[in-house]
Amino acid sequence: GAVVSQHPSRVICKSGTSVKIECRSLDFQATTMFWYRQFPKQSLMLMATSNEGSKATYEQGVEKDKFLINHASLTLSTLTVTSAHPEDSSFYICSARDSETSGIGDTQYFGPGTRLTVL
Amino acid sequence: AQKVTQAQTEISVVEKEDVTLDCVYETRDTTYYLFWYKQPPSGELVFLIRRNSFDEQNEISGRYSWNFQKSTSSFNFTITASQVVDSAVYFCALSEARTGGFKTIFGAGTRLFVKA
Repeated sequence: GAVVSQHPSRVICKSGTSVKIECRSLDFQATTMFWYRQFPKQSLMLMATSNEGSKATYEQGVEKDKFLINHASLTLSTLTVTSAHPEDSSFYICSARDSETSGIGDTQYFGPGTRLTVL
Repeated sequence: AQKVTQAQTEISVVEKEDVTLDCVYETRDTTYYLFWYKQPPSGELVFLIRRNSFDEQNEISGRYSWNFQKSTSSFNFTITASQVVDSAVYFCALSEARTGGFKTIFGAGTRLFVKA
């Protein structure tokens, strides 16, 4: 099946630093990728939709200047948490839609997640 | 607005018991997709099933079965003869079309504990 990877799987950083998380579709092309955030024992909340070659679409309440998304190729989207603070500590999950099958429904493949801890 | 309700926060069963996880959704669209995902302690989401709004056939896959009822806007998930390895958080999700693609909304999740 389709595989989505995320790197790093876990990151600990100091408050005020920026952290970049990569999301890659390994064996398919993805014109659309999604970024979710999950706090402990809570559900996944969609942060933004990342479209290859264009600006990301952010959900209401998500600061686009704080969570920078770049989708420069059909297999890679990056999420940069700028000037991270302890309240940004969370589990970040990306997903990708297979461009080949997007016409038959919303087939999303999820990455394994990145656990961010900001000290 | 779309919404997914999983009223059961936590369920605890003993191995070999059957357990049903409830999911109720709200949408104004006639075309939409429903999903169930499993999230084990490792955190990675595991896709279990996708159902489109025009297919109300119930489905069985091994010990898993799903009951889709449009009349009650429910998409319930039953695990038969539960096993300890079934312990995880299970999410029901709804995707519907919107400008530029689809948006997926997840329910709050149901944490299932299966005791040996």
